[in-house]
This record gives sequence, structure tokens and C-alpha cells, in this order.
Amino acid sequence: NSKVIQTPRYLVKGQGQKAKMRCIPEKGHPVVFWYQQNKNNEFKFLINFQNQEVLQQIDMTEKRFSAECPSNSPCSLEIQSSEAGDSALYLCASSHREDTQYFGPGTRLLVL
Amino acid sequence: GDSVTQTEGLVTLTEGLPVMLNCTYQTIYSNPFLFWYVQHLNESPRLLLKSFTDNKRTEHQGFHATLHKSSSSFHLQKSSAQLSDSALYYCALIPGGNYKPTFGKGTSLVVHP
Repeated sequence: NSKVIQTPRYLVKGQGQKAKMRCIPEKGHPVVFWYQQNKNNEFKFLINFQNQEVLQQIDMTEKRFSAECPSNSPCSLEIQSSEAGDSALYLCASSHREDTQYFGPGTRLLVL
Repeated sequence: GDSVTQTEGLVTLTEGLPVMLNCTYQTIYSNPFLFWYVQHLNESPRLLLKSFTDNKRTEHQGFHATLHKSSSSFHLQKSSAQLSDSALYYCALIPGGNYKPTFGKGTSLVVHP
């Protein structure tokens, strides 16, 4: 069973508001991933980290998205100015290198 | 870039019939890792199977898949579908040496009595 913790489970924001979600990876997993799962259940890879360093990231939607994984603190994903199209399930996963990813329960964001 | 193709968006089966969900991939890396994840309703994805070496079958919970590099495929099979198998199934690729994952669009499997 996955031990990845994501908070909050649900997040409701108005358009233009900031939305921030957090993830604590499984202990000992150096790689953390963020995904957006849309209403069609499609996965969109956003960014991944190894320890505190960014490995890969997509061109994050007009730079409204930012993420970090500071040492000794939860990883976070923040949307600076939420839009209706950002409404989705945001999944965090952690792993050892190119191994199995363990997913957290997700943060479901609703932008009104 | 890398890609994963799952040709079926929806598969509907009667309980007891065999399951086959297709997955093909494209990558420039010679040693990719392939995975099948399953996501039940209102749950997060969890690993079902992962590939090992070329042409070696991997099995778990009645499901099996074989990585065939010659055809760039990692199809998921089960001999007899159960009602509890109804879920979303995702095929995923992680290229060796590059941690950026690519997921297929997913296949929704519906098993009815």
C-alpha cells in the first residue's frame, strides 16, 4: 500500500486565486512526480524531482504552475492564478529511480 | 518524444471471458521500463505489473504481460475476467536513464455478469 500523503484532499478556489497542494513522498523515495488527471481520466505529467532538483517539467501552462521539493519539508505544487480549466485531480507519486511509482490519494481541485 | 498507445478506450466483457488490453510504445531508449497501473473508482492508481527483461512474462493477481521489444508491446492479459476487475488500466513507460514517465490514455474495463 502507498504511503504517499497528499493534502488537502479537496480544494475549492475562485478564478484568479492561488491554489497550493502538498505531498509527502514515501520515506526513502528520492524521486517525486506530479500529474494532472483531467475529467477524461487522462494523465498529464507536470514535473518530477530527484531530491530537491527538478529532473523534467513541461512548459507549465503560461508559467502559472510552480513546484518545489525542499529538504525536510513537503513537496508542493502551486497554481498562481487558478482557471476553470485547472479543475482536475492532482496526483503525487514517489519512487526509486526508474521503478514503480506509488501514488498518493490526490488533491481534487475545483475552480469555480 | 516518447509515446504509449492504448488502442481501446473502453472494453466491455462478460465475467469469465479472457481479457486482453493492448499497449504499444515508442521510445529512442533501448531499455525502457513498462508498467501497468490499475485505478478503481475513487481510488488512486496502483501498480499491477512491471516489465522485466525482453520476452520475459510477468504475472500478478491473475494478470500477465510480456515485454516484446521487437514489436514494442506490453499487452495485458488475463484468462478469466472477474467483476472486480472493472477499473481503468494505464500502460506507462519510463525510459531507462530518463525518469520522465509517459502514460497511455487508459482503457476502461467493464466486466458484467
